[in-house]
Amino acid sequence: ETGVTQTPRHLVMGMTNKKSLKCEQHLGHNAMYWYKQSAKKPLELMFVYNFKEQTENNSVPSRFSPECPNSSHLFLHLHTLQPEDSALYLCASSQANMVTDTQYFGPGTRLTVL
Amino acid sequence: AQSVTQPDIHITVSEGASLELRCNYSYGATPYLFWYVQSPGQGLQLLLKYFSGDTLVQGIKGFEAEFKRSQSSFNLRKPSVHWSDAAEYFCAVGESRGRRALTFGSGTRLQVQP
Repeated sequence: ETGVTQTPRHLVMGMTNKKSLKCEQHLGHNAMYWYKQSAKKPLELMFVYNFKEQTENNSVPSRFSPECPNSSHLFLHLHTLQPEDSALYLCASSQANMVTDTQYFGPGTRLTVL
Repeated sequence: AQSVTQPDIHITVSEGASLELRCNYSYGATPYLFWYVQSPGQGLQLLLKYFSGDTLVQGIKGFEAEFKRSQSSFNLRKPSVHWSDAAEYFCAVGESRGRRALTFGSGTRLQVQP
């Protein structure tokens, strides 16, 4: 596969479940991002990883736990979510050692919390 | 902090007509500017970007955008719209120094009439 892939594409979970979202980039990039896209709201940055190190956490609740084991993979572990967490979760990657890096996005995971 | 405004939430144009989507940004230094397109249920696809140099940039699918510093604008244009252009369009600004994340506008939904 090429580009940025995300699995699963759709996820329905109860508030007490634990699930994980997976993102993989095949572009040789070294920075990865999680964004949240809710209805009628702009995309919100959640986390930034640069060379596997978390460099930004945009005041995200602790029920979202990111993991970046290497520069190609990014996970978002979900636990005890709320219905308002239902959204499209988008992963992106970029080549962060370039001055003018460009972010490339995956197709997203549509999450529904019941 | 930077911000992006897309004043038009929804635009409808006839197929073959010209298109201009507006984007205004707020950022203290030279911005990096992007336009992305999102089809229903999909991730974001990069249309074009501006970092420096020629203020008129060409992108994919026949789109272009013009950076006007005096107006803090980066409007997206296409001379003749095709039905397949129906989608949501997002303008984003990236910082020329410091944090790597993008700030997105709220998006403009484009509908194309036959």
